[in-house]
Amino acid sequence: QSALTQPASVSGSPGQSITISCTGTSSDVGGYNYVSWYQQHPGKAPKLMIYDVSNRPSGVSDRFSGSKSGNTASLTISGLQAEDEADYYCSSYTSSSSYVFGTGTKVTAL
Amino acid sequence: EVQLVQSGAEVKKPGESLEISCKGSGYSFTSYWIGWVRQMPGKGLEWMGIIYPYDSHTRYSPSFQGQVTISADKSISTAYLQWSNLKASDTAMYYCARRRAVAGVYYFDYWGQGTLVTVSS
Repeated sequence: QSALTQPASVSGSPGQSITISCTGTSSDVGGYNYVSWYQQHPGKAPKLMIYDVSNRPSGVSDRFSGSKSGNTASLTISGLQAEDEADYYCSSYTSSSSYVFGTGTKVTAL
Repeated sequence: EVQLVQSGAEVKKPGESLEISCKGSGYSFTSYWIGWVRQMPGKGLEWMGIIYPYDSHTRYSPSFQGQVTISADKSISTAYLQWSNLKASDTAMYYCARRRAVAGVYYFDYWGQGTLVTVSS
């Protein structure tokens, strides 16, 4: 199972919106609405930000939103803030009843 | 409060065995799967496998099948990740995370703090 493909880095000015893509195949991202996104600050454990493509857990800012089209899922951060600087990973359930993570994206607020 | 508390950092030599743990509290341990995720230094997340503590049903990523053993003791709400023959390439941070044992739920909502495993001669 190959890792889902994400851009290595995305940056934006504070207040701007940025979007991170996550490309898989019809056996994972495209085949299920089970894409989740995790935020990881340096030295910390990952934190669930989005589940089932577009749902936010309680306590996660509504500046974070998710979507999917075909084999590509996306995470959008609106009104980028300094505290959003972190690594972001997508994940998908797969047709082999397993999970696959994305390659990870480093978000920088310029 | 839901918590997954992992055992402390380990330093081992190649060829040695090791077991790290993940103790759940604040929820019904047998109502959630526990997954294990590897993060090598400076690298991304890799899914290793998952166990359902209720009946110890286990699934492994093909990349980790035969390389590690995942187990659980539901009586003490603890899951384990075990190696019998450590290699330098096993040096990484290892996270446990829980996934609700309900059809249609395929995300990990709580994570442990991580256990750093260093394998060096």
